[in-house]
Amino acid sequence: DVQLTQSPSTLSASVGDRISITCRASRSVSNWLAWYQQKAGRAPKLLIYHSSTLETGVPSRFSGSGSGTEFTLTISSLQPDDIATYYCQEYESYSPWTFGQGTRVEVK
Amino acid sequence: QVQLVESGGGLVKPGGSLRLSCVASGFNLSDHYMIWIRQAPGKGLEWLAYISTSGNYKLHADSLLGRFAVSRDNARNSLLLQMTSLTAEDTAVYYCARDGCGAGCSSLYGMDVWGQGTMVTVSS
Repeated sequence: DVQLTQSPSTLSASVGDRISITCRASRSVSNWLAWYQQKAGRAPKLLIYHSSTLETGVPSRFSGSGSGTEFTLTISSLQPDDIATYYCQEYESYSPWTFGQGTRVEVK
Repeated sequence: QVQLVESGGGLVKPGGSLRLSCVASGFNLSDHYMIWIRQAPGKGLEWLAYISTSGNYKLHADSLLGRFAVSRDNARNSLLLQMTSLTAEDTAVYYCARDGCGAGCSSLYGMDVWGQGTMVTVSS
């Protein structure tokens, strides 16, 4: 099964900062990778799918990139509303799916 | 309004069983792969199982050791998760979700609609 490793585990930044979260896969998952945002006490929300496609309604400050084994979620200008935990997830067909362990984003 | 609502959670003793349901509204469940995910208190997300649109293809996480079984009833727009031999490690919020690829779509794309979750507590 694919293992996904996110880094960092926690990220503290200021409002307006550009931040990036990395997700590394133990083997290639092509571009079958999604990113989710989960706020405290809430269900996760899909942000990005197919590695880089922005889900409808998600602010354009969020972007995704990468393919194969290395992926990045970037927030171009961190906002207070972005305080959350972010997860990557791979979803290859006919294979077990996996989540990364999560990255907690805090605002300084 | 597109929505998923889980039910069936609660307190169960170790070794017991529980059946979770997830009812869809605002869309045809039969058009989508459906997924179960859980989150133990203070922990990350764990994928449990998914099932194809017709129910002909299912896959469960190896870590479940065959104790859980996903199924669907498209006529009732519902998804099910039968859980047996429960242990304290199964204590979690259980979410159902749909894959965003629906009718006319050719590939999976991620879980775009999630339920609010149902809490399962395994304790004596």
